[in-house]
Amino acid sequence: NAGVTQTPKFQVLKTGQSMTLQCAQDMNHNSMYWYRQDPGMGLRLIYYSASEGTTDKGEVPNGYNVSRLNKREFSLRLESAAPSQTSVYFCASSENGEAIMDYGYTFGSGTRLTVV
Amino acid sequence: QKEVEQDPGPLSVPEGAIVSLNCTYSNSAFQYFMWYRQYSRKGPELLMYTYSSGNKEDGRFTAQVDKSSKYISLFIRDSQPSDSATYLCAMSDYGQNFVFGPGTRLSVLP
Repeated sequence: NAGVTQTPKFQVLKTGQSMTLQCAQDMNHNSMYWYRQDPGMGLRLIYYSASEGTTDKGEVPNGYNVSRLNKREFSLRLESAAPSQTSVYFCASSENGEAIMDYGYTFGSGTRLTVV
Repeated sequence: QKEVEQDPGPLSVPEGAIVSLNCTYSNSAFQYFMWYRQYSRKGPELLMYTYSSGNKEDGRFTAQVDKSSKYISLFIRDSQPSDSATYLCAMSDYGQNFVFGPGTRLSVLP
């Protein structure tokens, strides 16, 4: 009953370094999402993928890229990290259509990223 | 103005109290509403969902939607220390790409 698995759980980067956050789900969901959570700002959508092979920008995509590697995996890449990208990053997955209302989004446990 | 607003709290109540958590929103097209609970250092988990207006009850939790006022509420009866968490509302116009509120931190004191 793994659900959504994110790696790593913690990371410290220096300004300008790059890294990839990994996410995998085992629920056969079509949709996957990347959010960032900052104090007072709530969850803000970075990118999402409604199905394998498609990705779309969310509210705050600048500085990030994503890859939907297959139905299970959705990665988030920071090409040149900046202190403004210090945040907690959550990956989520969901059903499409009306089924989303039965189960909502299933979230991973988050990646705490600090950029110094 | 943010699209979805919540009082950030913290809201502290004694055990057994009735808790009222609220969200206001600006987009009149929103018709799908969810409430999530997030424990410290964990991902959010779905508590309840409602579609359009009205009430929905699940155990100690009741969700209310007032679309005319663009206002939704979550009531917790007989609150327990285990209810201490941050509560996030989320809403959508067509059932995908939900917009989340910033969350209200609740502390239930034994």
